[in-house]
Amino acid sequence: KAGVTQTPRYLIKTRGQQVTLSCSPISGHRSVSWYQQTPGQGLQFLFEYFSETQRNKGNFPGRFSGRQFSNSRSEMNVSTLELGDSALYLCASSVTGNWNEKLFFGSGTQLSVL
Amino acid sequence: GDSVTQMEGPVTLSEEAFLTINCTYTATGYPSLFWYVQYPGEGLQLLLKATKADDKGSNKGFEATYRKETTSFHLEKGSVQVSDSAVYFCALSMDTGRRALTFGSGTRLQVQP
Repeated sequence: KAGVTQTPRYLIKTRGQQVTLSCSPISGHRSVSWYQQTPGQGLQFLFEYFSETQRNKGNFPGRFSGRQFSNSRSEMNVSTLELGDSALYLCASSVTGNWNEKLFFGSGTQLSVL
Repeated sequence: GDSVTQMEGPVTLSEEAFLTINCTYTATGYPSLFWYVQYPGEGLQLLLKATKADDKGSNKGFEATYRKETTSFHLEKGSVQVSDSAVYFCALSMDTGRRALTFGSGTRLQVQP
């Protein structure tokens, strides 16, 4: 069974640009969550999607958005990039997104904003 | 709000040494507790979890016991290997409908041969 796949693995952008990251969950998993990992702030929750609906959102500005498609694949978008958006963005999937369910993480997309 | 506090790293041990990584939490209610591990260049993997007080999670020689009285979930292993070198994250989740993990800052473990 394939794991969680995130593309691309690395991205380099400049300030003011926008970026789209992609996540393909494990087959049969309907919940997809996104986390931002930085050395200073650690791992922070961005949002969670289930059946194409955003169910939860973390404390991030509106420049961060996402969506989920009918096949459970998810994308997140960051507009008007800032230097502080440089981070490893991790996607995680689970079957139902239940609060104590195991999450399966992808290897992440490393975003560098210059 | 909910929070998780882990001991600062890095923790450097020799192979076959005993490992303890401390984790305490603050939560209004009774969370589920997790340890995730991140190997270099990879995403996080669930190592073990416990869903109620006095539960012991265990996997690959690692153990952690959910202690409600001390709000702790310390990770232990009796004999570490070089292959255990990684970053370990303690995390909690609450049954509040939020469906998100709150992570500690992570503890880097370096095991020397």
